[in-house]
Amino acid sequence: DSGVTQTPKHLITATGQRVTLRCSPRSGDLSVYWYQQSLDQGLQFLIHYYNGEERAKGNILERFSAQQFPDLHSELNLSSLELGDSALYFCASSVGSGAPTGELFFGEGSRLTVL
Amino acid sequence: AQSVTQLGSHVSVSEGALVLLRCNYSSSVPPYLFWYVQYPNQGLQLLLKYTTGATLVKGINGFEAEFKKSETSFHLTKPSAHMSDAAEYFCAVSFASGGSYIPTFGRGTSLIVHP
Repeated sequence: DSGVTQTPKHLITATGQRVTLRCSPRSGDLSVYWYQQSLDQGLQFLIHYYNGEERAKGNILERFSAQQFPDLHSELNLSSLELGDSALYFCASSVGSGAPTGELFFGEGSRLTVL
Repeated sequence: AQSVTQLGSHVSVSEGALVLLRCNYSSSVPPYLFWYVQYPNQGLQLLLKYTTGATLVKGINGFEAEFKKSETSFHLTKPSAHMSDAAEYFCAVSFASGGSYIPTFGRGTSLIVHP
């Protein structure tokens, strides 16, 4: 158990809908990262937050948004969903602000299926 | 730009045989390199990491990796495979983005262990 909690574990929805994925980092970790894992794209970095502030953005679509709240949990919002958004979404946390040698602790992921 | 390439999407070995998973990196600055493992229905967890110093890095579960700057490689090895080693293995390199260092992952190598 990494200490990172993600909900829901599985989610099935229809195209055009909106969903929210939630992540609680390990106790004491200030950084939250979101990754998307799919068969064709592999593991893609979406966004990084540190102590409530956005620090880095990757290949995140404009239809997607995220935030980190004062209690440090984070939410990833996906809207106007398309079939291609079906994937496993991982949240990871770390202690620091994004050090080069920092270890990430991953949750078990939220599997999104868009029908 | 930093990137990693994992050679072979699948590697199959017999139990007790040598495990060799290949990773080559591309980086314009000294790299920070990682190997993560993903067991079925779980998130990724760190096996080992290279920062600076000793080029042979030892990790958990008997795995080790050698950093070879001249070959831009960071191959993962284990002398004797066990059935429990069957998993997906990811090589990663940290790259600077904004105010953070973000691990960027290779496409992964699935290790299959035969009895």
